Amino acid sequence: SQTIHQWPATLVQPVGSPLSLECTVEGTSNPNLYWYRQAAGRGLQLLFYSVGIGQISSEVPQNLSASRPQDRQFILSSKKLLLSDSGFYLCAWMKRLYGYTFGSGTRLTVV
Amino acid sequence: AQKITQTQPGMFVQEKEAVTLDCTYDTSDPSYGLFWYKQPSSGEMIFLIYQGSYDQQNATEGRYSLNFQKARKSANLVISASQLGDSAMYFCAMRVNYKLSFGAGTTVTVRA
Repeated sequence: SQTIHQWPATLVQPVGSPLSLECTVEGTSNPNLYWYRQAAGRGLQLLFYSVGIGQISSEVPQNLSASRPQDRQFILSSKKLLLSDSGFYLCAWMKRLYGYTFGSGTRLTVV
Repeated sequence: AQKITQTQPGMFVQEKEAVTLDCTYDTSDPSYGLFWYKQPSSGEMIFLIYQGSYDQQNATEGRYSLNFQKARKSANLVISASQLGDSAMYFCAMRVNYKLSFGAGTTVTVRA
């Protein structure tokens, strides 16, 4: 079966520390992958998406970067976290043009 | 650029009644898809319903139906016979060229 894994579920990090969030997909190949961020009570902001290994499209200039080292692995990173990086981060993959599946999300609090 | 607008920040609905959530969109691309997602307090994103831009009929999925008015660029979600478990945040989203963009969301609270 096709599943998406995202970890960790919660994370508290000090300002200036690095970040690495990982997302993996099982049961499919060459998926389109996405990273979203959601501020409290707000909508989802598309941060990055990837249609293949090593291919990353950035939607919003920010303190974050993304990488896709393997076909079914998508990583969100930061070298130095800011307070404004706090939020709920969701990974998603596109099963087909009318099907997107989301991971369970990571609640990041930068203190 | 694509834009999705949800003008209702929050709504209250009585149990067993129907509720309509508004969504308008803007794109110059003739091929697009419209989605509605439900997000309970746990944060998970639950897919509800999909409408393609070339679909002639309005989509329906159980108690959910999408009122697609292409000329007006609106894609309202109708939830019939509301249940307490329907209390959540609802997002309208649009896919253009593999990118899925979201509206700001509407919080629905179902009252017993």
